[in-house]
Amino acid sequence: ETGVTQSPTHLIKTRGQQVTLRCSSQSGHNTVSWYQQALGQGPQFIFQYYREEENGRGNFPPRFSGLQFPNYSSELNVNALELDDSALYLCASSLAGGFGNEQFFGPGTRLTVL
Amino acid sequence: RKEVEQDPGPFNVPEGATVAFNCTYSNSASQSFFWYRQDCRKEPKLLMSVYSSGNEDGRFTAQLNRASQYISLLIRDSKLSDSATYLCVVTSPGSYIPTFGRGTSLIVHP
Repeated sequence: ETGVTQSPTHLIKTRGQQVTLRCSSQSGHNTVSWYQQALGQGPQFIFQYYREEENGRGNFPPRFSGLQFPNYSSELNVNALELDDSALYLCASSLAGGFGNEQFFGPGTRLTVL
Repeated sequence: RKEVEQDPGPFNVPEGATVAFNCTYSNSASQSFFWYRQDCRKEPKLLMSVYSSGNEDGRFTAQLNRASQYISLLIRDSKLSDSATYLCVVTSPGSYIPTFGRGTSLIVHP
C-alpha cells in the first residue's frame, strides 16, 4: 500500500452536476497531482498542487479545479459534468514539487456520468 | 502523431519467455522517462526510471534511444505475476509534466 487514500471509491452522477473528489497524501509528502484515466488509456495529467498552490496544469478546461489544504490533502472539483468525464480519477503524492521524485498513486475514484 | 505511443498488445507469452516493449515519443527535447506497471483495476506503480546509459533491475532492463526517440523495456524469464499493463511516461522539457502512453498489456501464461 502506498499510504495515499482517495474517496469515494465509486461515484455516479448525471450530466450537468458537480462533483468533489478527495485525496490524502502519503505522510511527509507536500505535493499532489491529479490524473484522469479513461478506459483503455493511460492517465492524463490534470494539475499538480505543491504547498497549496497550483504548480502545473494539463490540457483540461477551467471546470476542472482543485485545492490543497495545509495538511497537504487535496480536492478535485469538476463542474458541469459531461458524459466524457466518466473515468478513473487518480491522485498521486510526492515529495517536493515537480516530477523529479517518485509519485505514489492512490487507488482512484471511478466516476460514472449518466 | 501522439506524444507518446505504445502498442496496446496484448503480448501473450509463456512463462520463462523474454519479452520486450517499445514506446516512442515525439518531442526530441523530452527530459525524463519512466516505466510504470498497472495491474487490472489497480493504481499505477513505478517500475523503473530510464537513464541514458540504460539500467537494469533484476529481470527488467530499460533503455533509452534518443536518436530514434524511443524507450524500451525488456523482461527476462517472465513470471505469471508479470501479467499487467506497462505504461511508459515521458516528461515535457521545461515543465516536466508527465505524459503517459496508453499502456501495453502483457499476459504470461503457464
